[in-house]
Amino acid sequence: GQQLNQSPQSMFIQEGEDVSMNCTSSSIFNTWLWYKQDPGEGPVLLIALYKAGELTSNGRLTAQFGITRKDSFLNISASIPSDVGIYFCAGRDQTGANNLFFGTGTRLTVIP
Amino acid sequence: DAGVIQSPRHEVTEMGQEVTLRCKPISGHNSLFWYRQTMMRGLELLIYFNNNVPIDDSGMPEDRFSAKMPNASFSTLKIQPSEPRDSAVYFCASSPPWETQYFGPGTRLLVL
Repeated sequence: GQQLNQSPQSMFIQEGEDVSMNCTSSSIFNTWLWYKQDPGEGPVLLIALYKAGELTSNGRLTAQFGITRKDSFLNISASIPSDVGIYFCAGRDQTGANNLFFGTGTRLTVIP
Repeated sequence: DAGVIQSPRHEVTEMGQEVTLRCKPISGHNSLFWYRQTMMRGLELLIYFNNNVPIDDSGMPEDRFSAKMPNASFSTLKIQPSEPRDSAVYFCASSPPWETQYFGPGTRLLVL
């Protein structure tokens, strides 16, 4: 199956700092998604990207669909304590199948 | 609008017992996905359905696992007999055709 490499695996940052994480795939994707998972909950969609080069913001979050269609990144500006959680990238490839492939997650800790 | 509903939220059982997890997708979504999440393996797709029909069950670990979707508003994932290595969080997600997936809160399964 598809391999999604997500980095970094974990981050410890001070409140107010910016955060950047990225995801790369072994093949071309048509869709990139970023989810956040809080402890004890299911992943919640943050941002969806559907076109190469697309840059989309959701509040302090910004994500981009890479030009090569094999990568995506997520930035969080001015982090706050409630940003703590696990962030997952996910993507849909060109096979036409409806399933998503998920990255291994980035565990974010924000130190007040 | 209710999201994806899963029950039970927590399940503790003994090895060898049958376990049935239930999912009610978001109304109008025609795709349903079952995932398993563990620390070691992350988020794994087990099986997904389009219009109540199983499309890809290649992620189902072995014959002890089975899933059904008798109608558009209900699905079950059954493990029989359960084993300690089945302990994990099981998520159900639903989506409109080829759109983003919305996750339920998960069922935390512990097999003793």
